[in-house]
Amino acid sequence: GENVEQHPSTLSVQEGDSAVIKCTYSDSASNYFPWYKQELGKRPQLIIDIRSNVGEKKDQRIAVTLNKTAKHFSLHITETQPEDSAVYFCAARARGSSNTGKLIFGQGTTLQVKP
Amino acid sequence: GAVVSQHPSRVICKSGTSVKIECRSLDFQATTMFWYRQFPKQSLMLMATSNEGSKATYEQGVEKDKFLINHASLTLSTLTVTSAHPEDSSFYICSARRLAGVVEQFFGPGTRLTVL
Repeated sequence: GENVEQHPSTLSVQEGDSAVIKCTYSDSASNYFPWYKQELGKRPQLIIDIRSNVGEKKDQRIAVTLNKTAKHFSLHITETQPEDSAVYFCAARARGSSNTGKLIFGQGTTLQVKP
Repeated sequence: GAVVSQHPSRVICKSGTSVKIECRSLDFQATTMFWYRQFPKQSLMLMATSNEGSKATYEQGVEKDKFLINHASLTLSTLTVTSAHPEDSSFYICSARRLAGVVEQFFGPGTRLTVL
């Protein structure tokens, strides 16, 4: 079945440094890849997403890259700040005639940004 | 725009009782709503996909007779946990997808269920 693997499970960086989280997916038909930030006890918040017809997308300090051939995509956060500390999830949406747009989530990465 | 609400936010119940959780899209019509379960320090696990006016599609390993889903309108889906047991204690989150074209899912704030 469809699977999304996410690494690392935990990541600790110093404030101002960059953080990179990587995900691989198994379904070559996947065409939409969102990233979510979730704070403890809260709902996941979409921070950036990328579609399969694009290789890279950037929004201020956050960027996502997609390699369709290798079936992996990555989240890059530059100039990290303590408020970036949270759990980050990648996800992949499968394409298909019977598909209703369900997302398959990675295992999550706990990011800690030390002041 | 694109606000999704859930009610209740927290519920504590005794083992053997049933609990109903509501998910509403407040300012848009949702073709599809999704129900997830999230255990502490774990990822979101999709339980079922619900389309208005039709039966829900359950993921493998999710008991449809235990987790009843009703998607009565384009703005409301309900999840009923029947005969709840302590192992059903979890964070239940719904998400909704817009009626036309938009692929993004909008998440509700979640419901913390504790079964004693």
